[in-house]
Amino acid sequence: EVQLVESGGDLVQPGGSLRLSCSASGFLFSSYGMHWVRQAPGRGLEYVSAITYDGHSTYYADSVKGRFTISRDNSKNTLFLQMTSLRPDDTAVYYCAKDLGDWFFDLWGRGTLVTVSS
Amino acid sequence: DIEMTQSPDYLAVPLGERATINCKPSQSVLYSSNNKDSLAWYQKKPGQPPQLLIYWASTRESGVPDRFSGSGSGTDFTLTINNLQAEDVAVYYCQQYYSTPRTFGQGTKVEIK
Repeated sequence: EVQLVESGGDLVQPGGSLRLSCSASGFLFSSYGMHWVRQAPGRGLEYVSAITYDGHSTYYADSVKGRFTISRDNSKNTLFLQMTSLRPDDTAVYYCAKDLGDWFFDLWGRGTLVTVSS
Repeated sequence: DIEMTQSPDYLAVPLGERATINCKPSQSVLYSSNNKDSLAWYQKKPGQPPQLLIYWASTRESGVPDRFSGSGSGTDFTLTINNLQAEDVAVYYCQQYYSTPRTFGQGTKVEIK
């Protein structure tokens, strides 16, 4: 089955760290760019980070630059998001998404909840 | 960054009627290699991930009911839902994939009147 499954979300204190994972199956993971998108409670979709199929190029939204690191392990079909210096406004459901041909997102995971609170 | 502006923010439509959502990128999203607009529409229901409805501004994703249609060009795009059904209650987002960041509109919430 073609799917993405996120994990790693948790309740963490401000200033803490978390590592999210996105496990891919059913398609050739190493051929596609991957992305993280988040949705804070009651808010819209926010584009967070991206990585090319080979991991050579990455992008970060200004809101997470310097705190989050995206990476991938193509041998394990897994995407990661290392989050440090977490703030309450990072509280959100984090979705990983696969792009098609470096274009639109044709596959999304079900998301993992990150809550930053003391 | 390309800014995406949707209108309206909220829309209440009677069952069986038409819902129309607009999306305006701050610049052209025309992909010159295929002369198509790099504009997608997603449906987002609570507790579910976004679902791709439309790409290249007007191409319906496989499995999406034909009451959903996309149109437009340049910096003016529209998602139309004909014969609105109860299961269409959701928030709809446009997204440009012309450049990174792949920005989204702020969303349009569609409900039944």
